[in-house]
Amino acid sequence: DIQMTQSPSTLSASVGDRVTITCRASQSISTWLAWYQQQPGKAPNLLMYKTSSLESGVPSRFSGSGSGTEFTLTISSLQPDDFATYYCQQYNTYPYTFGQGTKLEIK
Amino acid sequence: EVQLVQSGADVKKPGESLKISCKGSGYSFTSYWIGWVRQMPGKGLEWMGIIYPGDSDTRYNPSFQGQVTISADRFVNTAYLQWRSLKASDTAIYYCARVSDYNAFDLWGQGTMVTVSS
Repeated sequence: DIQMTQSPSTLSASVGDRVTITCRASQSISTWLAWYQQQPGKAPNLLMYKTSSLESGVPSRFSGSGSGTEFTLTISSLQPDDFATYYCQQYNTYPYTFGQGTKLEIK
Repeated sequence: EVQLVQSGADVKKPGESLKISCKGSGYSFTSYWIGWVRQMPGKGLEWMGIIYPGDSDTRYNPSFQGQVTISADRFVNTAYLQWRSLKASDTAIYYCARVSDYNAFDLWGQGTMVTVSS
C-alpha cells in the first residue's frame, strides 16, 4: 500500500494567518491527490482534487500544489471556520489511502 | 437534492451480524462508484473499498477483505456494508461516499455509528 504521511500532526495558528500542511507519499502518485476537511462530529468535505483543483463552492483561500511524492495544502488567510482536521488522500493506486490527519487549532 | 443517506446508529454484541446501508438520491446512482470509509473513535480515515452499483464490480482494501462485504442493489439505489461476526474493534463511524468523475470522494453520507460491546 502507498503510505501517506502528513505534517505537522497538529498546527496552532490564529485567524488571518497563512498556513501550509504537507503530505508525502511513499511512492509517486503523479498528481492524484485530494484534500478533505473534517469538522468535529461531521463527515469529511472535499476541498481539492487532482492536487490543485478547487472543488466547487470551496473558498479560493485554499490552494494545493505538488507532484510525485510531495504535496502541500495552503490556506492563505485563516478564517474561524477553517479550524478543523485536514486529510490528504491518494487515488493513484488501490487501496486509495489517507494521511493520518492534521488538526488545525486556534492559537 | 443530491445526497447519500445512511442508516442509523446500531449497537451490537460481539459475534452478531450487521448490515448498514447508504441510499443515494438526486443523481444517477448506477453511474458512480460508492466507497466506504472507517473512522475509529478519535482516529483518522481508512479507505475500506468501493463498489460500482451498475454492475457490482468491487475493490477491497486488503486490510478489510474477508472482514466485511460490500454490496449494492441498483434497483433501490442503495449500497451496503455487512459483517458476519462483529468484533469490539469494529466499533467506529462508517461513512459512505460517492467517487466523483475525478476519483475523489465528492459526496458523503452523514455516517453510521456502529458500537460493538458485550
